[in-house]
Amino acid sequence: KQEVTQIPAALSVPEGENLVLNCSFTDSAIYNLQWFRQDPGKGLTSLLLIQSSQREQTSGRLNASLDKSSGRSTLYIAASQPGDSATYLCAGGGSQGNLIFGKGTKLSVKP
Amino acid sequence: AAGVIQSPRHLIKEKRETATLKCYPIPRHDTVYWYQQGPGQDPQFLISFYEKMQSDKGSIPDRFSAQQFSDYHSELNMSSLELGDSALYFCASSFRRPVDTQYFGPGTRLTVL
Repeated sequence: KQEVTQIPAALSVPEGENLVLNCSFTDSAIYNLQWFRQDPGKGLTSLLLIQSSQREQTSGRLNASLDKSSGRSTLYIAASQPGDSATYLCAGGGSQGNLIFGKGTKLSVKP
Repeated sequence: AAGVIQSPRHLIKEKRETATLKCYPIPRHDTVYWYQQGPGQDPQFLISFYEKMQSDKGSIPDRFSAQQFSDYHSELNMSSLELGDSALYFCASSFRRPVDTQYFGPGTRLTVL
């Protein structure tokens, strides 16, 4: 059974800092890895999708990598801003498309 | 761009009542997923439909059922509600499974009193 773990559970950084969020998964037979952002009490906003055949994806200040062999993915946020404060969730996609989520990393970017 | 629509956004029910949540996927998306997110928890997969057929089943209680209609909208029916059913219920849609991006709706917040 797929299990997804995110470290750290919470992170506080000053504005402008570059940071890395970590995600690990137990079953390397994932079909994709998706990163989401969730604001308190709100829905999930898709940030990046990495398919199993890919190594990384980039969107603006965000870069996500995937290493299936080691069961790891990272989300790199460059030049963080207070508006980046949110909970970041990673999720592994199974063969039927259902996502298994980690418990998230709560990011706080201080002005 | 059109997004996933969920209704209602908020719902308050008493114990043992029934509730129906609706989901309207992004146009042309053929797959719908339902997730449940309890307070302080990560989303848990409930059930999915592909081309109007049930595709996969997760941790959905027997008291819950769901279906996808000919216009691709989906409904999650919840009966004999319990206090523990209070949660955010998300619907997501994708165009092609299993490797396409899932886009989530804003969620329905269900409160069971």
